[in-house]
This record gives sequence, structure tokens and C-alpha cells, in this order.
Amino acid sequence: EAGVAQSPRYKIIEKRQSVAFWCNPISGHATLYWYQQILGQGPKLLIQFQNNGVVDDSQLPKDRFSAERLKGVDSTLKIQPAKLEDSAVYLCASSHPPVETQYFGPGTRLLVL
Amino acid sequence: SQQGEEDPQALSIQEGENATMNCSYKTSINNLQWYRQNSGRGLVHLILIRSNEREKHSGRLRVTLDTSKKSSSLLITASRAADTASYFCATVASYGKLTFGQGTILTVHP
Repeated sequence: EAGVAQSPRYKIIEKRQSVAFWCNPISGHATLYWYQQILGQGPKLLIQFQNNGVVDDSQLPKDRFSAERLKGVDSTLKIQPAKLEDSAVYLCASSHPPVETQYFGPGTRLLVL
Repeated sequence: SQQGEEDPQALSIQEGENATMNCSYKTSINNLQWYRQNSGRGLVHLILIRSNEREKHSGRLRVTLDTSKKSSSLLITASRAADTASYFCATVASYGKLTFGQGTILTVHP
């Protein structure tokens, strides 16, 4: 079974630029999550999708972050404009209720200069 | 916001020794999960314990949960160098949302 795919793996941008990350979940997984992990901390949930609907985006900085999951499969997360404090690893995960285990992708490491 | 707090923040042991990590949380939970993260394999689910369970085993892993104290512990027996990683507890309060702690960095010396 193929795992969660993410791209790109690394991205370096300057502040105020925009960036987009892509995630393809495990086939058949209805729930998709985006997490932000700052160095030295645990992952923090940014947004959770159930199929193509948003379940929780309470911690998503909506003035600069946006995410979509068209057709309930793959998803993109965008930052526009980026700030220095957005430097982090962005993790995508998927799960298939009622199974509560989440499967994580390798992450995209973002550095904002 | 970070719900769980792991203790210790870092742990260094010799191969063959046991490693114990603790996690405390603040609000009621549905279940608690432990994950491992290393550079090679990313973040991987280890074990899940439900709020009505007190202890669970999986291979060399033993997890306990005390809901009255809002705490959990992860024991890794007979540690190996390959167990070197960061370990995170994550609580689930509702609809599958994971809230992670800060993690414990485990180093196992050969």
C-alpha cells in the first residue's frame, strides 16, 4: 500500500513570497490533515478535511494560509505572503474512520529567509 | 495549543536498558496515542490506548493510562540503537483531532 505522498520535500523562499505544498493521501482515506511542526515542538493541526469538507480549521492563520481538497482526494496548502515564523515542517496525514490511526507523509521542510 | 507535556525532554540510555517516557494532559480524552519520529521514517504511529483502558502492550512497548491523574507512560523494554528517535504523545478529544505534546528525545547508545 502506497503511503502519503508530499511534494516538494524542501523549499526555500524569501519573506512575502508565496508557496504551495501538495499532498496525496493513502487511497480511500476520507480524512486528511495538515500539521505544522516548528523545530523542537510537536506537530500542530492546521486544518482537517473529511472528504472535501472542512472539519476543523480553528488554528489555521486564515489571513495568510489557505487549503483546499478538491474532489476529496489530494490537497494543497498555500501560504501567501510567507513570514519568517512560517519556517517549519509541514506534515500531511490521512486516516479512514473509524480507524483512528493517522498515517503521515514525509513532510515539506520550509525555510523562509 | 499543546495539550500534552512529555517528561523527560531528553533521555540517554545504553542498548539493552529500558526507557520510560511520561505524558501529562489537561482535558478529557477519547484516546491517547504515541508516535515516533526520526529522520529516516518520519512520524509513525506506535500504539493507541482508549480512555477506558489502563494498560496496553505491543511487542517491546507497554503503555499505561491513568485518567484520574491525566497521565500516560510509554515503556520501551530492551532498547536498541534503532529506537533512537523523538517520541510524542497525542491526545484525541473528539472527531480524530490529534493534539501533540512537545516530545521526548530518546538516544540509545550501542
